[in-house]
Amino acid sequence: GENVEQHPSTLSVQEGDSAVIKCTYSDSASNYFPWYKQELGKRPQLIIDIRSNVGEKKDQRIAVTLNKTAKHFSLHITETQPEDSAVYFCAAIKTSGSRLTFGEGTQLTVNP
Amino acid sequence: GAVVSQHPSRVICKSGTSVKIECRSLDFQATTMFWYRQFPKQSLMLMATSNEGSKATYEQGVEKDKFLINHASLTLSTLTVTSAHPEDSSFYICSAREGGGRGSPLHFGNGTRLTVT
Repeated sequence: GENVEQHPSTLSVQEGDSAVIKCTYSDSASNYFPWYKQELGKRPQLIIDIRSNVGEKKDQRIAVTLNKTAKHFSLHITETQPEDSAVYFCAAIKTSGSRLTFGEGTQLTVNP
Repeated sequence: GAVVSQHPSRVICKSGTSVKIECRSLDFQATTMFWYRQFPKQSLMLMATSNEGSKATYEQGVEKDKFLINHASLTLSTLTVTSAHPEDSSFYICSAREGGGRGSPLHFGNGTRLTVT
């Protein structure tokens, strides 16, 4: 089955700096990669996703890049703000299947 | 946007009792819903896939007789934790895929914090 590894497990940045979270996946058939933000005690919220036919996608301060050859994808947050502090999860799935595999999560702390 | 409603948000029960958690898709039909469990500071672990009108598919290591899943309609799936024990205390989250297509976004309920005393 799919295995998703996520790094780092914790990340602390100063407000205004950029944050990068990286994930690797094992199943080359995976072709949909969402990113979720989860605040303490709350549900995961989809913040951005990317499909395998695209190498990069951007939505305001958030961007995701995908390298299919290397089987890794990354989340980039620019101009970080304290409200970006949360746990971020990457995930991977192949659209022919139904099982979404999550990474272990990254606790992002943005210090004011 | 698509909304998934989950109830209750928090429940405390005594050891040996059963607890039912409901997951509803409010503005779309979901033939498939997913149940996850999340322990503190850990990732979401898929417990089972709930299929409307048929039996749920359980992940390896998840006891189907302990975690009963019923998906009786296109908008409702329930998870019943039977004979709950303190080790079942966790955050349970359901999710459903908008549009039914496997590449569609997955939306989560608010989760249920279960505490078994």
